[in-house]
Amino acid sequence: GAVVSQHPSRVICKSGTSVKIECRSLDFQATTMFWYRQFPKQSLMLMATSNEGSKATYEQGVEKDKFLINHASLTLSTLTVTSAHPEDSSFYICSASGPAVYSNQPQHFGDGTRLSIL
Amino acid sequence: RKEVEQDPGPFNVPEGATVAFNCTYSNSASQSFFWYRQDCRKEPKLLMSVYSSGNEDGRFTAQLNRASQYISLLIRDSKLSDSATYLCVAHNAGNMLTFGGGTRLMVKP
Repeated sequence: GAVVSQHPSRVICKSGTSVKIECRSLDFQATTMFWYRQFPKQSLMLMATSNEGSKATYEQGVEKDKFLINHASLTLSTLTVTSAHPEDSSFYICSASGPAVYSNQPQHFGDGTRLSIL
Repeated sequence: RKEVEQDPGPFNVPEGATVAFNCTYSNSASQSFFWYRQDCRKEPKLLMSVYSSGNEDGRFTAQLNRASQYISLLIRDSKLSDSATYLCVAHNAGNMLTFGGGTRLMVKP
């Protein structure tokens, strides 16, 4: 149980393209979803936290107009990287938490999306 | 100062060796702690929770010292498959997780 699906797993596209990443909780209602970014040889850095039906809360230094987050339902959140540039190339990971998840861990992670902007 | 700090390594050890990782944290209000394992280009996976009383799971032992704000992970009888990056993670209010920079382990034959 407590499965989070993230799609796509790999994206390669040209500079200037907008890329949408989906994060779905498959067997529980995710009241909160988190979006992380990880550059090579660095740890996961939280980008934003989104609660279902509310605007996302962005961490300092993360541009909200660049990284659009939508959490319209209890099972789906999307991250759109608008007008992506090579410096946006990174590993993006979502996670989800909710009242019904197992108590052994506070967040359940998707498989991640490797984004490469040429 | 980072909220959760780890020695990045890498730790290069032979199979069968015992290896220990340390982690320090600065937020005394952190509710609980975890060790996650992350393989290259993969998502982090929960390895174990960390309790003040210590937590043992097979070859892995985790320990929390709240007075010193210090967390440890001990791996006994290392296997090749243990090669990965180990992330020390603090759990804070609102189900927020703060990740350390990770410690890389390489187990050699």
